[in-house]
Amino acid sequence: NAGVTQTPKFQVLKTGQSMTLQCAQDMNHNSMYWYRQDPGMGLRLIYYSASEGTTDKGEVPNGYNVSRLNKREFSLRLESAAPSQTSVYFCASSDQGRFNTEAFFGQGTRLTVV
Amino acid sequence: AQTVTQSQPEMSVQEAETVTLSCTYDTSESDYYLFWYKQPPSRQMILVIRQEAYKQQNATENRFSVNFQKAAKSFSLKISDSQLGDAAMYFCAYVQGGSEKLVFGKGTKLTVNP
Repeated sequence: NAGVTQTPKFQVLKTGQSMTLQCAQDMNHNSMYWYRQDPGMGLRLIYYSASEGTTDKGEVPNGYNVSRLNKREFSLRLESAAPSQTSVYFCASSDQGRFNTEAFFGQGTRLTVV
Repeated sequence: AQTVTQSQPEMSVQEAETVTLSCTYDTSESDYYLFWYKQPPSRQMILVIRQEAYKQQNATENRFSVNFQKAAKSFSLKISDSQLGDAAMYFCAYVQGGSEKLVFGKGTKLTVNP
């Protein structure tokens, strides 16, 4: 089983460029999430989707947009990339929208904005 | 807002010995769940152990166990018989029951010396 798949694994952008990070899960989970990880900061929630058709802001949503395309896919878009968005991005999914069950994470995307 | 604090940015342990990683959290809720995640250099997030707040018994998973002190809001991870493969970042995390927002601490980098 693939679990949670993120693409791309690495990306370099110039300031002002846009891009979309893709995430897909094959575990039939209802909930999906986007986190960013910065040194010394742990993982911070950007957006999450409790079910198909719904999205909600997390702790650090500014500068990002998301789309829950269907139950499997949850994309993260940077409309105008800034150096402050240089980070490692993780997509995750869980069953029934409750993290009391295990959350599964993708391998991460290392994004550098120059 | 709930917060998770890991006061030890770095720890080291000799192979085969025992190490304890500290975590405290702040919440006024009674229904919540606590987790320890491991992140090796591969960046993959791996669930190590999970604790339900309503359970008084400390969770154990092979060489990993927790000391859950609900009144003190403390949730430490003990790794026994440390192995080289235990070297990683360890993150403590909290989620309120019924919520999708998983909150992470800033992490502890564990080094295992041969």
